[in-house]
Amino acid sequence: GAGVSQSPSNKVTEKGKDVELRCDPISGHTALYWYRQSLGQGLEFLIYFQGNSAPDKSGLPSDRFSAERTGGSVSTLTIQRTQQEDSAVYLCASRPGLAGNIQYFGAGTRLSVL
Amino acid sequence: AQSVTQPDIHITVSEGASLELRCNYSYGATPYLFWYVQSPGQGLQLLLKYFSGDTLVQGIKGFEAEFKRSQSSFNLRKPSVHWSDAAEYFCAVGEPSGTYKYIFGTGTRLKVLA
Repeated sequence: GAGVSQSPSNKVTEKGKDVELRCDPISGHTALYWYRQSLGQGLEFLIYFQGNSAPDKSGLPSDRFSAERTGGSVSTLTIQRTQQEDSAVYLCASRPGLAGNIQYFGAGTRLSVL
Repeated sequence: AQSVTQPDIHITVSEGASLELRCNYSYGATPYLFWYVQSPGQGLQLLLKYFSGDTLVQGIKGFEAEFKRSQSSFNLRKPSVHWSDAAEYFCAVGEPSGTYKYIFGTGTRLKVLA
């Protein structure tokens, strides 16, 4: 597709379950970001991938959160043992590898932890 | 600490009226500056960006923003608001190197009265 694609668009899960959120970046974009949008916290950076370099995980809130990017393209954000405070919209963005280019955002995955 | 402040959480204007959304940032150097708009259930759409050069930048949908270094501000303006402009607006600072990740303000929700 032409834009960043995220799936599922909505996810409802029970506290304690694991969830996986998927992001398909724009073809050819080497940089990929995950952000979390939650009430009271705004939009927070979670993790950044650039090509084959080690990811910048500095924004992950706890060790229950992890992400991988396979083949330099699709990325999966995994949240283990979900908690109610994990309820948020998770946004993915991609960027061409050139310095200064803008980030293009997907529509997000709305996660609700019951 | 690096931060972005959008002091107005909610703004209501009448259709046809002018609009100014405020954004102030705290950053060690001149960062990249962005305004994004988010409609309900949608991802973030870029309105405009500032990297360098002319401090008055034009964007899509009739929006413009002015970078004022002395005030660390990047306010968004539109001379005549349309009902379709009702949405949430985010100001963001982008790191000018490294990960180029964004730091977002908490957003301003715009309501337009007919």
